[in-house]
Amino acid sequence: EPEVTQTPSHQVTQMGQEVILRCVPISNHLYFYWYRQILGQKVEFLVSFYNNEISEKSEIFDDQFSVERPDGSNFTLKIRSTKLEDSAMYFCASRGLVGTGELFFGEGSRLTVL
Amino acid sequence: DQQVKQNSPSLSVQEGRISILNCDYTNSMFDYFLWYKKYPAEGPTFLISISSIKDKNEDGRFTVFLNKSAKHLSLHIVPSQPGDSAVYFCAALLETSGSRLTFGEGTQLTVNP
Repeated sequence: EPEVTQTPSHQVTQMGQEVILRCVPISNHLYFYWYRQILGQKVEFLVSFYNNEISEKSEIFDDQFSVERPDGSNFTLKIRSTKLEDSAMYFCASRGLVGTGELFFGEGSRLTVL
Repeated sequence: DQQVKQNSPSLSVQEGRISILNCDYTNSMFDYFLWYKKYPAEGPTFLISISSIKDKNEDGRFTVFLNKSAKHLSLHIVPSQPGDSAVYFCAALLETSGSRLTFGEGTQLTVNP
């Protein structure tokens, strides 16, 4: 069964460092997302991406965040200068054409900022 | 911005009985409602969805009911099994907003043998 894959599964970084989280969405999907979940809190929307551009972003997704799909398969989330409060599980998701509304999620990348 | 709300942080039921998880929403324009199941350190896994034009959708042991006038939906699991123990998230999708999925806070379901 096709799945969304994410790397790395866990990254530890120092505050102020740049981090890139990578995702390979399901191959025929057209919509791509990043969500995050801070420990003990709800799953929060960060950004959606369609047709090679951001279609929507939340207030969390400030200038420190960026996304790109450089090669038609990988979908990356970059945090330019990490802060302690960026520590969370980051989930990538993808979705096919309009239908049931189902998003398929990856296993997540745990980011720990020290 | 609490557009999707799950008021019960936890629910405990006996194996074989019915589990009922509830969710309320405020935006009447949502197009789909979905339930996801999540284990610790894993991504959310899709369970079942319902279109806003329907009031019930059933898939095996899982049934979702939608009451649009009350802006309320519920997930029924019957019979409940110990393997159902997980956090259940209600989510709602608005097609016109970049297909953004908005999650509730989650309900921890524990099914006791």
